Amino acid sequence: DSGVTQTPKHLITATGQRVTLRCSPRSGDLSVYWYQQSLDQGLQFLIQYYNGEERAKGNILERFSAQQFPDLHSELNLSSLELGDSALYFCASSVAGQVNQPQHFGDGTRLSIL
Amino acid sequence: AQKVTQAQTEISVVEKEDVTLDCVYETRDTTYYLFWYKQPPSGELVFLIRRNSFDEQNEISGRYSWNFQKSTSSFNFTITASQVVDSAVYFCALSDQGRGSTLGRLYFGRGTQLTVWP
Repeated sequence: DSGVTQTPKHLITATGQRVTLRCSPRSGDLSVYWYQQSLDQGLQFLIQYYNGEERAKGNILERFSAQQFPDLHSELNLSSLELGDSALYFCASSVAGQVNQPQHFGDGTRLSIL
Repeated sequence: AQKVTQAQTEISVVEKEDVTLDCVYETRDTTYYLFWYKQPPSGELVFLIRRNSFDEQNEISGRYSWNFQKSTSSFNFTITASQVVDSAVYFCALSDQGRGSTLGRLYFGRGTQLTVWP
């Protein structure tokens, strides 16, 4: 158990819809990362937050947004969903978001778009 | 640009065989970190090891060992006396200070699917 909690584990929805994925980091970790895992693209970094502030953006679509709340949990919002958004979405956390710190991953949310 | 290459897409071995998973990386930074993660069939990503660019000592942890060679930009992972429970996808990842940032985003390879048969 990594200590990172993601909900829900599975999400099935239709094209055009909007969903919210939730992540609670490990106790004491201030930085949260979101990654997308798909067959086409592999594991891709989406976005990073540190103590409530956005720190880095990767290959995140404009239809996607995220935030980190004062209690440090984070949400990833996906809107106007397309079939290609079907993927496994991981949240990870680290102590302070530094380059030398291991990221610990949650179990992921599997998103299926019908 | 940062890049991680895991040339072996799939490897199959029989239990008790040794197996080596290859990882080659690219970065312009002199300070960087390399990681290995395991993704078992249940889907979670499990952190296995971290190695910094200044430490080329090999590391052994039980049946696992890692060989870091800066000269060839490789960070290979060997499982000795493999077991069925080792069956998983293994990912190599790189984190560096591109553009002077200390942010720790990970660049992942495409992974190697290891299947260990009884």
